[in-house]
Amino acid sequence: QVVVVESGGDIVQPGTSLRLSCAASGFAVSQYGMHWVRQAPGKGPEWVAAISYDGSKTFLADSVTGRCTISRDTTKNMLYLQMTNLREDDTAVYYCAKEISIAILGLVIVPGPMDVWGQGTTVTVSS
Amino acid sequence: QSALTQPASVSGSPGQSITISCTGTSSDVGAYDFVSWYQQHPGGAPKLVIYDVTNRPSGVSDRFSGSKSGNTASLTISGLQAEDDADYYCTSYTTTSSLYVFGTGTRVIVL
Repeated sequence: QVVVVESGGDIVQPGTSLRLSCAASGFAVSQYGMHWVRQAPGKGPEWVAAISYDGSKTFLADSVTGRCTISRDTTKNMLYLQMTNLREDDTAVYYCAKEISIAILGLVIVPGPMDVWGQGTTVTVSS
Repeated sequence: QSALTQPASVSGSPGQSITISCTGTSSDVGAYDFVSWYQQHPGGAPKLVIYDVTNRPSGVSDRFSGSKSGNTASLTISGLQAEDDADYYCTSYTTTSSLYVFGTGTRVIVL
């Protein structure tokens, strides 16, 4: 069974750091692009970050560029999101998701659609 | 990041067909066939129902279909069922710095 499970969410103060983890099972993260998507309370989803299937490219939303890093550990089959200088508007449920297929534009890998999602981990940033 | 524009709500009776629009620009929806649609029930994670404009993932009902014309993509749900009552979001790759944008979301109400 193809499953992803997020962890690491917490209640933190503004300006602090947090690392979210995503454990994948039933597939290898080394073979699929992976994403982080967040959803603030009462709002729609917002794409945050992605890493290509081969790990050669990472993509970040404007709202987290300079503050977040996406990475993976293929030996542990894990995905991570390192967040620094957290702000109150980072408060959200953070989902990990697997791509259904590789999206290629010309010869360039781009973020693609996501077919497997976890149940999310909650990050609350509050003073 | 600029979101794709969707109607706030669409309603229909069981058995009817409804269509949800997703309007973008020539930098996203109109530029590439990288439009996807997600269904989300309250308290749950999004579920992929259409990708690359017209493709259905394995296990998704063939009552869901997608299309695109110019800068507007559409999701049609035929034979509406009670279980289709949910929020629906379109997404697209974009050439802007946003890279990947979601729509504003549409609440589908099954009457």
